[in-house]
Amino acid sequence: QTVVTQEPSFSVSPGGTVTLTCGLSSGSVSTSYYPSWYQQTPGQAPRTLIYNTNTRSSGVPDRFSGSILGNKAALTITGAQADDESDYYCVLYMGSGLWVFGGGTKLTVL
Amino acid sequence: EVQLVESGGGLVQPGGSLRLSCAASGITFSTYSMNWVRQAPGKGLEWVSFISGSSTTTYYADSVKGRFTISRDNAKSSLYLQMNSLRAEDTAVYYCAKYGSGKSFDYWGQGTLVTVSS
Repeated sequence: QTVVTQEPSFSVSPGGTVTLTCGLSSGSVSTSYYPSWYQQTPGQAPRTLIYNTNTRSSGVPDRFSGSILGNKAALTITGAQADDESDYYCVLYMGSGLWVFGGGTKLTVL
Repeated sequence: EVQLVESGGGLVQPGGSLRLSCAASGITFSTYSMNWVRQAPGKGLEWVSFISGSSTTTYYADSVKGRFTISRDNAKSSLYLQMNSLRAEDTAVYYCAKYGSGKSFDYWGQGTLVTVSS
């Protein structure tokens, strides 16, 4: 069973830059996995940030960007703000009608 | 504005059944595939099921295959999830999510809580 891996937690200073990653327990993430990224604050529904590796969803600030870095998908936040403090989830399309979410990264801005 | 509103959650005993609904507005519902995604208390997101716009294609996570059935009524702009043989580990907030570009989930409802407990 393939596991999608994310850092459990990360910390960034206000105004700083942070890159969260999304990998596979076996193998490399490529654009063929159609990585997408979601932001969730406690008690709220997820909000779509990035889809198809690097396309920002409507209304998402350009501080958020997606890419492939090495063998992982990546979400970079440039100029972090206090309200970026959230949980971030990636999901990969494994093919054959199967999507697998990563365990999520809890981002702290302090 | 796209709106997805889930309902039907509640407390059910292990082995019981429940049917969730998701009412969609602001979109031509029949042209979009839909999904259910769940989140156990304090845990991460888990994709559950997918259905195409015409209902001809459905997919399920292994954890629910054979117990859950996804369906839709395009005339009512509604998505459903019939959940049978419920287990404690099915306890979660269930979100309906519209299928978007790049095999993503672009709009989400606020979720409905399902608690499986005796």
